Amino acid sequence: GENVEQHPSTLSVQEGDSAVIKCTYSDSASNYFPWYKQELGKRPQLIIDIRSNVGEKKDQRIAVTLNKTAKHFSLHITETQPEDSAVYFCAASRGGSQGNLIFGKGTKLSVKP
Amino acid sequence: SAVISQKPSRDICQRGTSLTIQCQVDSQVTMMFWYRQQPGQSLTLIATANQGSEATYESGFVIDKFPISRPNLTFSTLTVSNMSPEDSSIYLCSVEGPRRDTQYFGPGTRLTVL
Repeated sequence: GENVEQHPSTLSVQEGDSAVIKCTYSDSASNYFPWYKQELGKRPQLIIDIRSNVGEKKDQRIAVTLNKTAKHFSLHITETQPEDSAVYFCAASRGGSQGNLIFGKGTKLSVKP
Repeated sequence: SAVISQKPSRDICQRGTSLTIQCQVDSQVTMMFWYRQQPGQSLTLIATANQGSEATYESGFVIDKFPISRPNLTFSTLTVSNMSPEDSSIYLCSVEGPRRDTQYFGPGTRLTVL
């Protein structure tokens, strides 16, 4: 079946450093790739997303890149801050349905002051 | 963004009983989605609920265990039936944003089954 793999499962960086989280997907029909941030006890919050007709998208300190050929997409956080500490999930749509998402297993990011 | 509320926010239930979770959205949406997040795990789609039709369930989830209602374009319920401790999870509803270009999650219902 369809699958999304996410690496690493944990990531620890110093404040100010960059963090990169990578995902691969298996469904060739996937065309929507959101990233969610989940703080402890809270709902997943959409932080950035990208569609298959775009290779890169940036929003302040956060960027996402997509390589459709290789079925890879990555989240880049620059100038990390302690408040960036959370679990980050990547997801890929099942086909064209952006609500029907297959999630990666998550990356626990810790930013040390 | 869409404003989504869920009731209850949390509950502790005895095995063998059922719990109905409500999801309310502040705008009309075509599709609503129900996800499960087991402790320390990722999110898994249970089913997609369209108004006026039967819900579509993902592999591993069945209607008898997770019946869903979708009486109108702003509301849905998910029932967890005949609960066992393995059903202890956070259950979240999800909808598309007003411009149908993003996906938002409700605050979730934390269920503990004893």
